[in-house]
Amino acid sequence: DGGITQSPKYLFRKEGQNVTLSCEQNLNHDAMYWYRQDPGQGLRLIYYSQIVNDFQKGDIAEGYSVSREKKESFPLTVTSAQKNPTAFYLCASSMNREGGNEQFFGPGTRLTVL
Amino acid sequence: DAKTTQPTSMDCAEGRAANLPCNHSTISGNEYVYWYRQIHSQGPQYIIHGLKNNETNEMASLIITEDRKSSTLILPHATLRDTAVYYCIVRAPYSGGGADGLTFGKGTHLIIQP
Repeated sequence: DGGITQSPKYLFRKEGQNVTLSCEQNLNHDAMYWYRQDPGQGLRLIYYSQIVNDFQKGDIAEGYSVSREKKESFPLTVTSAQKNPTAFYLCASSMNREGGNEQFFGPGTRLTVL
Repeated sequence: DAKTTQPTSMDCAEGRAANLPCNHSTISGNEYVYWYRQIHSQGPQYIIHGLKNNETNEMASLIITEDRKSSTLILPHATLRDTAVYYCIVRAPYSGGGADGLTFGKGTHLIIQP
């Protein structure tokens, strides 16, 4: 069954702790993305990666880090430097082909920092 | 990427066609129009995209005006499961130089009434 998986669905952490969110895809997509969504708002881009071992900052990268060691995996670490980490985190992937290309999203991880 | 304007919310009766408008008056000649939807607490779902011509798939139809300054997403026979936030996004095509993320506004909250 092809798709994007994110785990866990709900995550609770104490303030000051780093936490890593998982994102895996078996769609053989080149590009992967991380977004953050706050209540009643649209998605905002944190980081994206076009190919393995390469990634770029999005609009709100401060306090986050990523790695892309394998094509199918793009984990996101929320560090203690992120001031307001409680949010809904969404991972997406897409093919890098000429013209229009749609992004496919995972089910999301809801992070709550206590 | 060009900015889009959508109504905050809309109602539609079940079984009728839902027509969701989007204004993108500053769209560039090579930018695509994408539509996604997000059901509460889930990841966004790709619906359809187009450049100049009208497009149709199993989910919806996309009508783009001749001047490309606005578009309409049509759900031909709305069901209760179509209740969601619908996002209209304008994005430049991937051209080999980098695949950045999507810019999500607040979208239109479509409520299908029984």
